[in-house]
Formats: sequence, C-alpha cells, structure tokens
Amino acid sequence: TQLLEQSPQFLSIQEGENLTVYCNSSSVFSSLQWYRQEPGEGPVLLVTVVTGGEVKKLKRLTFQFGDARKDSSLHITAAQPGDTGLYLCAGGATGNQFYFGTGTSLTVIP
Amino acid sequence: EPEVTQTPSHQVTQMGQEVILRCVPISNHLYFYWYRQILGQKVEFLVSFYNNEISEKSEIFDDQFSVERPDGSNFTLKIRSTKLEDSAMYFCASNPLGGTYEQYFGPGTRLTVT
Repeated sequence: TQLLEQSPQFLSIQEGENLTVYCNSSSVFSSLQWYRQEPGEGPVLLVTVVTGGEVKKLKRLTFQFGDARKDSSLHITAAQPGDTGLYLCAGGATGNQFYFGTGTSLTVIP
Repeated sequence: EPEVTQTPSHQVTQMGQEVILRCVPISNHLYFYWYRQILGQKVEFLVSFYNNEISEKSEIFDDQFSVERPDGSNFTLKIRSTKLEDSAMYFCASNPLGGTYEQYFGPGTRLTVT
C-alpha cells in the first residue's frame, strides 16, 4: 500500500488569506490528482498533474507536482468562503489503482 | 454535462444480508472503479474494472465482494454477506481511458449495516 500524507489535517483561515496544502509520499506516482469533497458527496476532480515539476493553475488555485513525483502542493490565493471543503490528493500507481491521501479540511471564515 | 450516477443513495441492511450497489458510469468511459469511505476516514480503493474483467483490486476486496457489468451500462458492486464494518459510503468512479487519467466520481451510496 502506498501512503499519501496530507498536511495540515485541518485549516481555518480568514477570507482573503493565502494557504498551502501539502501531499507527501515516499512512493513515486505516475500522476497526482487533487479533489474537493463536500459532506455526503463524492470527490470532484480539480486537476491532474503527470510530469515532475509540473505547475497548473485553476483561477486562484495553483497545483505543483514535485520533481521526483512523490509530492504535490495546492496553493490557494485570497481564499473565499466558497473554498471551504475537504481537499484530497490521490496518486495514480501502476495499472489502474489510485491511492487517496488523508485529506485536509479547509474552513474559510468570512 | 455527463455524470456518474449511483443508486440507492442510502441502503440499510442487516448483518449477513447481501446487498447490490448500482452505478451508471459516464457512457463513453472505459474504466470503472469502486471505492469506499468509512465515516471520518480516507477514501479507499476497492477495485478497478476494464473490458468486463477486474483490472486491479485491493486487499479489502475479498471473496465477499464481486463486481459486474451486466448490461453494458450498469456497473454493480455486490457484498455477499454484509458485516458491521462494511458500513461506509461507497463511491463509483469512471475514467475515460484508464491509466493516469482523471476519475469522475458518483455521489455515493451510504451503506448502513445493522
């Protein structure tokens, strides 16, 4: 089993602040996905990164895949209350198996 | 926009009973998955399915579990004899091409075993 550790586990910030969420592993992944999950719903895909060092931007969200493809980060600029949710990273391994991280619960206070 | 659908949204069953969870993946996708999420825990991979057979499965997916694509549109997960610890959210996902491509998740079925 390949483990993905996310940090921090919980994050509570004021609207307008910036934040970074980390996803770390000792294993190499062929791809890394970031999802957001609302309570009682399925994860919703935000982005997929596949190349070491790759950076993708989605409006105020910036995703980076580590050079060695073992870690990733999600940076949110000027957080808004609508960003509140559970953020999950998931690593794609050999074949068609995906391993999910432990999750970061973000609360943005208006 | 196409989406993955799952039924039922909530299933309550007694320990030892069989349950079938149903999913309709996005129509032109080729790979299908089942995951579970025990309350307060992380999402866990159960099984992937391609070309009418299991592609990968985790250690959780033991002989009590089976998957089927009976009619070309539905994708089902059967638990033969449910245990209390099977209580969880079960998510179906589909993937257009497999491999490192993204997955699209359904809304989940909450299974409660009493």
